[in-house]
Amino acid sequence: QVQLVQSGAEVKKPGASVKVSCKASGYTFTSYDINWVRQATGQGLEWMGWMNPNSGNTGYAQKFQGRVTITRNTSISTAYMELSSLRSEDTAVYYCARGLREGIGPARYYYYMDVWGKGTTVTVSS
Amino acid sequence: DIQMTQSPSSLSASVGDRVTITCRASQSISSYLNWYQQKPGKAPKLLIYAASSLQSGVPSRFSGSGSGTDFTLTISSLQPEDFATYYCQQSYSTRFTFGPGTKVDIK
Repeated sequence: QVQLVQSGAEVKKPGASVKVSCKASGYTFTSYDINWVRQATGQGLEWMGWMNPNSGNTGYAQKFQGRVTITRNTSISTAYMELSSLRSEDTAVYYCARGLREGIGPARYYYYMDVWGKGTTVTVSS
Repeated sequence: DIQMTQSPSSLSASVGDRVTITCRASQSISSYLNWYQQKPGKAPKLLIYAASSLQSGVPSRFSGSGSGTDFTLTISSLQPEDFATYYCQQSYSTRFTFGPGTKVDIK
């Protein structure tokens, strides 16, 4: 079945970096985008960025620009999200989600996240 | 970035009730609007995409409508498993944004 399996919980100190992995199975990894979304405790969903695993093209939320990097290793169908210069406010659950494009015309498509990983808890504490 | 708002932020309802949640975009987003359901401690689940298309496997009591800036998610007859938080998300801009969520709990 289609699934995204994320790496385990991380505890980091302020100023450090964290790299979370997301391994895809049950579908062709390079045929769908991977998105990263985070959620602080008791808060809403916050989109961080996306990547096209085929081309390696990425797009990031302005809030995280310069601090987040999404990469992939197509040989093992795995995407990565690295967040640097961590601060306490980055403590959250980080989700990867498959992004699906449904074409509706030339260069036009609906886009939605149809499969989600279970999340990785990242705790930033001194 | 396109800002998304939702109302109400929370509501209490009973099993069998008809529930309506509203989502508004800060600019027109055509029908580029998705709805997700999230239960405590779980990942979000896609319910509706393209404003009104029901995701495969989602019960038909869920429906979505709207276009432009105003959208609605309706649960026609609330079931015990529907108590959750619901989020809208725009995909008109490739800088995706979510609404703040609407928590539906038991009256």
